Amino acid sequence: DVKVTQSSRYLVKRTGEKVFLECVQDMDHENMFWYRQDPGLGLRLIYFSYDVKMKEKGDIPEGYSVSREKKERFSLILESASTNQTSMYLCASSRPATGDNQPQHFGDGTRLSIL
Amino acid sequence: AQSVTQLGSHVSVSEGALVLLRCNYSSSVPPYLFWYVQYPNQGLQLLLKYTSAATLVKGINGFEAEFKKSETSFHLTKPSAHMSDAAEYFCAVSSNTGKLIFGQGTTLQVKP
Repeated sequence: DVKVTQSSRYLVKRTGEKVFLECVQDMDHENMFWYRQDPGLGLRLIYFSYDVKMKEKGDIPEGYSVSREKKERFSLILESASTNQTSMYLCASSRPATGDNQPQHFGDGTRLSIL
Repeated sequence: AQSVTQLGSHVSVSEGALVLLRCNYSSSVPPYLFWYVQYPNQGLQLLLKYTSAATLVKGINGFEAEFKKSETSFHLTKPSAHMSDAAEYFCAVSSNTGKLIFGQGTTLQVKP
């Protein structure tokens, strides 16, 4: 089974802090994704990566950055946390898209509160 | 551009009744479609996926979905609801890029 592990289930930080959310997958997947989930809005893509040291912006990248130094690890960084970044953050990984499109496998999420 | 619409943010059924969760998509290319389930305080788990091999797709936990191109729909059904099916369900569409576009989700309540 694919295992996607997010470093924290719950996290509380203060406004202005730099926040790191870590995600590790054990299936040698090329693709990794970061989403935020808010009630009534579904999942929105923040950033994704198709390979090591590669990143692309998703739909809502403002206020966030990412790092992928190793294939198995994808970090989300809140440069200066704000209260509107209080949310559930989900990491996912997948194999490259092919004719039989690959599903994404998700971690259990990090519920982040910014005070 | 691709998009997904899930009709009904909340659906309530009695235990043993039919479950029907609606999903309509918009895509300019042949779509890849997925249903995911999210139990409280957990991540998303893949229920099933459509990849053009068959229009009726069977998934885990007794769920299935039928792809109807003429209606641009991919509704999720289960003949008999169980209490353990209470969760939030997400429909998603993907292109060959591997990115997923999610619907807003439908919360399924199962009453005893």
